[in-house]
Amino acid sequence: TQLLEQSPQFLSIQEGENLTVYCNSSSVFSSLQWYRQEPGEGPVLLVTVVTGGEVKKLKRLTFQFGDARKDSSLHITAAQPGDTGLYLCAGDSGNTPLVFGKGTRLSVIA
Amino acid sequence: DAGVIQSPRHEVTEMGQEVTLRCKPISGHNSLFWYRQTMMRGLELLIYFNNNVPIDDSGMPEDRFSAKMPNASFSTLKIQPSEPRDSAVYFCASSLGHAWLFFGEGSRLTVL
Repeated sequence: TQLLEQSPQFLSIQEGENLTVYCNSSSVFSSLQWYRQEPGEGPVLLVTVVTGGEVKKLKRLTFQFGDARKDSSLHITAAQPGDTGLYLCAGDSGNTPLVFGKGTRLSVIA
Repeated sequence: DAGVIQSPRHEVTEMGQEVTLRCKPISGHNSLFWYRQTMMRGLELLIYFNNNVPIDDSGMPEDRFSAKMPNASFSTLKIQPSEPRDSAVYFCASSLGHAWLFFGEGSRLTVL
């Protein structure tokens, strides 16, 4: 069974701080996706990373896919209250449905 | 364009009652997924369909759960009889293929 471990589980920071959350697995994935889920809503796709070592930027969010395609990180610069939510990573093995981690619950305090 | 539409948004029922959750996927999507989300277990895949055909239902907890997709624009997830441990948020998601999922807003189920 493929598992994705996300850390930390919970993170509470002040507005303006930087943070990094992690998504790790012992399995290799053809791609990895990051979703953000706000309270009372479903997860929404932020980005997909495909190539080992790939770095993608989405405004203040920087996503990196590990060289071995087993892990990924999400770095947020100058966090804002609007970044608050549950960040989920999901691995795609190609022929099976996405495997989701349990997520990192981020709270950004103004 | 309308996204994935789920109903009801909230359901409160008593143990033993039948619960039916409904989902309308995005038009043109050929894959549909039912997930259950709890704090303890996160997002769990229950079942998924490809071109209206159930492909993998190994995540369905037990025989009390069943899902159907009679056509490309409608799916149901039924729990009969419901139990308190079924309390969770149930999400429906659709995709073209299975790589990028579009989720509905979820149905929050409380079984008393």
